[in-house]
Amino acid sequence: SAVISQKPSRDICQRGTSLTIQCQVDSQVTMMFWYRQQPGQSLTLIATANQGSEATYESGFVIDKFPISRPNLTFSTLTVSNMSPEDSSIYLCSVGRAGELFFGEGSRLTVL
Amino acid sequence: AQKVTQAQTEISVVEKEDVTLDCVYETRDTTYYLFWYKQPPSGELVFLIRRNSFDEQNEISGRYSWNFQKSTSSFNFTITASQVVDSAVYFCALTMNRDDKIIFGKGTRLHILP
Repeated sequence: SAVISQKPSRDICQRGTSLTIQCQVDSQVTMMFWYRQQPGQSLTLIATANQGSEATYESGFVIDKFPISRPNLTFSTLTVSNMSPEDSSIYLCSVGRAGELFFGEGSRLTVL
Repeated sequence: AQKVTQAQTEISVVEKEDVTLDCVYETRDTTYYLFWYKQPPSGELVFLIRRNSFDEQNEISGRYSWNFQKSTSSFNFTITASQVVDSAVYFCALTMNRDDKIIFGKGTRLHILP
């Protein structure tokens, strides 16, 4: 299994501000994935973060809105920029290992 | 393009009934992996099963069983003798590469009524 720690677990943010979510994995992984789960919805992949290169974003997600850092093989951050109420979601960090995809407990953001 | 369809948005059954959750997938790749995850009300994602495209054997784990049929591109999940604790959202998912990003279906919300 993989142990994934995410911070913050939840936060309430004001419109127009930015928040950075941290993801720490217990061992080195090549790829880390960031997902968003809007209320009552499924999980949607935001981007794939590889160490040493720019993140690869899925359709509908852009770097200016969701900048990602991957400074080493165990850590990544996702920033949600210039937030609006539509950004209220759970953001999840994920890694694959031995054929299974493991998820952090998620960061629940509420934007007022 | 890859896609996962869970046509059942919400299902309610009475406790002890059997229930099947449907999953249909689309991919042009010959190698792929299918998953089922459970998301209880507490919110965490619980891994249930992974099946690769070369293994069509059905699997049983306690009250849970999975039916993988490549001919119909389906990977259905059955809960036998359902219990209230089975109430959750269940997601079917697909990936082309081991340990790579996965695509989720929209999920089926299952209510087990006492």
